[in-house]
Amino acid sequence: KNEVEQSPQNLTAQEGEFITINCSYSVGISALHWLQQHPGGGIVSLFMLSSGKKKHGRLIATINIQEKHSSLHITASHPRDSAVYICAVPIGSQGNLIFGKGTKLSVKP
Amino acid sequence: NAGVTQTPKFRILKIGQSMTLQCAQDMNHNYMYWYRQDPGMGLKLIYYSVGAGITDKGEVPNGYNVSRSTTEDFPLRLELAAPSQTSVYFCASSYFPSGVNTGELFFGEGSRLTVL
Repeated sequence: KNEVEQSPQNLTAQEGEFITINCSYSVGISALHWLQQHPGGGIVSLFMLSSGKKKHGRLIATINIQEKHSSLHITASHPRDSAVYICAVPIGSQGNLIFGKGTKLSVKP
Repeated sequence: NAGVTQTPKFRILKIGQSMTLQCAQDMNHNYMYWYRQDPGMGLKLIYYSVGAGITDKGEVPNGYNVSRSTTEDFPLRLELAAPSQTSVYFCASSYFPSGVNTGELFFGEGSRLTVL
């Protein structure tokens, strides 16, 4: 069983829709990462959060430590949001991460 | 700042050949990581380093070696390449451990390696 599960695996949306991507994990954490992998392959860090909610532009990330669950929301989605979104959970003290398999988002104009 | 620079971006190897993937960062980060990404799978940690002269194995270290002689550089060596090492490799770095709230990860662009 994968220790970090993401859903859905694939998501197609129309431009302007509100999008939610979920991440559930079974390992203990101090912080959770949300990453974006562009169609060209590059990976950028979107959020790190250990409690509550963080917002950056149209992106909102929430985490519920007790339920071991995090969500990434995209408001007013745009075709340029099309990417793979990955959550990752640290294990140990040296920053080793366990990654989910990613959610592939496609936003149609 | 260039961030994290990986070379080469693409490489085809024959079985049994060896090669080194280069990774350099100019952000004075202590923590550096090598991951591999296989189709349909999450990234897996190969090796990591918490500072110059200190390296340790990750989840999938077999067939690889690393060194960290300087803060900036963290090369990954593949010895006796095998088809199972066909993958996309990512180098990443952070100032703090990525489990700490400020340990934002910075990734290189990736290196696509094919072993035939």
